[in-house]
Amino acid sequence: DGGITQSPKYLFRKEGQNVTLSCEQNLNHDAMYWYRQDPGQGLRLIYYSQIVNDFQKGDIAEGYSVSREKKESFPLTVTSAQKNPTAFYLCASSPPPYNEQFFGPGTRLTVL
Amino acid sequence: GQSLEQPSEVTAVEGAIVQINCTYQTSGFYGLSWYQQHDGGAPTFLSYNGLDGLEETGRFSSFLSRSDSYGYLLLQELQMKDSASYFCAVRGWSGYSTLTFGKGTMLLVSP
Repeated sequence: DGGITQSPKYLFRKEGQNVTLSCEQNLNHDAMYWYRQDPGQGLRLIYYSQIVNDFQKGDIAEGYSVSREKKESFPLTVTSAQKNPTAFYLCASSPPPYNEQFFGPGTRLTVL
Repeated sequence: GQSLEQPSEVTAVEGAIVQINCTYQTSGFYGLSWYQQHDGGAPTFLSYNGLDGLEETGRFSSFLSRSDSYGYLLLQELQMKDSASYFCAVRGWSGYSTLTFGKGTMLLVSP
C-alpha cells in the first residue's frame, strides 16, 4: 500500500534537547511538507521541499530544520531554539498539479 | 499574505444538511480546497475548486466564487461519522505548491 508514514506516534523529550521526526513516503511524490497543529488551530507550514536537495522555509520555520537527501524521506528536527515545541506535527506530500495533499498519521510531540 | 475565515463550530442533527463557509483574502490563488480531520487523526482531502461553481462528490459538495472571495462546503444526509473538523485552504501564487489553511470548523452531528 502506498502512503506516508511518520514515527513515532507519540514522542516525549526534555526541554533543551533536539529531536528528529521521521517522515517517509512511497507515493513517488516530489513535493513534501511539514505542518504544525496546535489545539483548536489550523495547520501552519514549517518547511516544504519541491525536489530532492532543495527546501524552503514556511511561515513558522524558526527553531526547526529539515533535510531532503532522498525523494522518499523528509525528516524534521525540532531544535532547542524552538520556544514552544509541544504540538502535533504532520507531514504531507503532493503530486502535480498540487491540488491535493496526502497526510501522514502525525507525531504528537510533548516537551517536558 | 493570505488569510481565511471560517466559523469555529457548527452543530446539526443526523440526516440534515449543513453548510460551512469560508471567506479568504489573498492577492492571487489557484484554488480552494477542503479537508476533513477527525479528532487526533490526519487531515484527508475532500474537494478542490479551481474554477467558480459547484463541485459534487457524493454527499459532499463544494462551491467557489472568486468575485466574492468566498467558498463553502455542503454536507448532505449528515451521519454521526461526519463529526470532525473541516478546513478550507488556498493554494496561492507564491510558493505555488503550498497551502494556507483556515483555523477549521468543528462539526458536531447529534442523533
